[in-house]
Amino acid sequence: GAVVSQHPSWVICKSGTSVKIECRSLDFQATTMFWYRQFPKQSLMLMATSNEGSKATYEQGVEKDKFLINHASLTLSTLTVTSAHPEDSSFYICSASRVISTGELFFGEGSRLTVL
Amino acid sequence: AQSVTQLGSHVSVSEGALVLLRCNYSSSVPPYLFWYVQYPNQGLQLLLKYTTGATLVKGINGFEAEFKKSETSFHLTKPSAHMSDAAEYFCAVSEGTGNQFYFGTGTSLTVIP
Repeated sequence: GAVVSQHPSWVICKSGTSVKIECRSLDFQATTMFWYRQFPKQSLMLMATSNEGSKATYEQGVEKDKFLINHASLTLSTLTVTSAHPEDSSFYICSASRVISTGELFFGEGSRLTVL
Repeated sequence: AQSVTQLGSHVSVSEGALVLLRCNYSSSVPPYLFWYVQYPNQGLQLLLKYTTGATLVKGINGFEAEFKKSETSFHLTKPSAHMSDAAEYFCAVSEGTGNQFYFGTGTSLTVIP
């Protein structure tokens, strides 16, 4: 149990376009979902925390107008990279904590974004 | 404030040798501690966690870790390395359920045949 699915796994887009990444908790309800960005050979950088039905809380230095996060239900959060540029190319990972939490986070498989 | 330090960004061991990955943390409250493994182009998979109770925690794939409060450590060990253990390992700490995780910088494990 406790599966988190991200889609798409890989996406290539042209500079200036927008890309949406979905994060779904398949078999549990997630009160909170987290979005991370990971650069090659580096740790995870927390971008934002989203709670169902409320606005996301962004970490310092993360542009909220650039990275739009929506958490419309207890099983779905989306990250939209707007007007993507090559520097937005990265590995994006979501994670979720359960409504009845066991303390751990459950991670999606990650989404590799390449902006040409 | 919480933080995690993983000593050694790269660790190499021979197949069959002991694996030891170090993690030290700082926390103002009793921590929840975790080890995650990441394979290339994949998300993170939980290896094991400590929340309360027994300080020696056993996880998947033969890994275990011991919470030592006096040393503020949560080192990950495995008696005998397999080739399939080659991956990136992350230590993480949180203040409890629903709270933010703080990750270490990761340790890349290489297993030499």
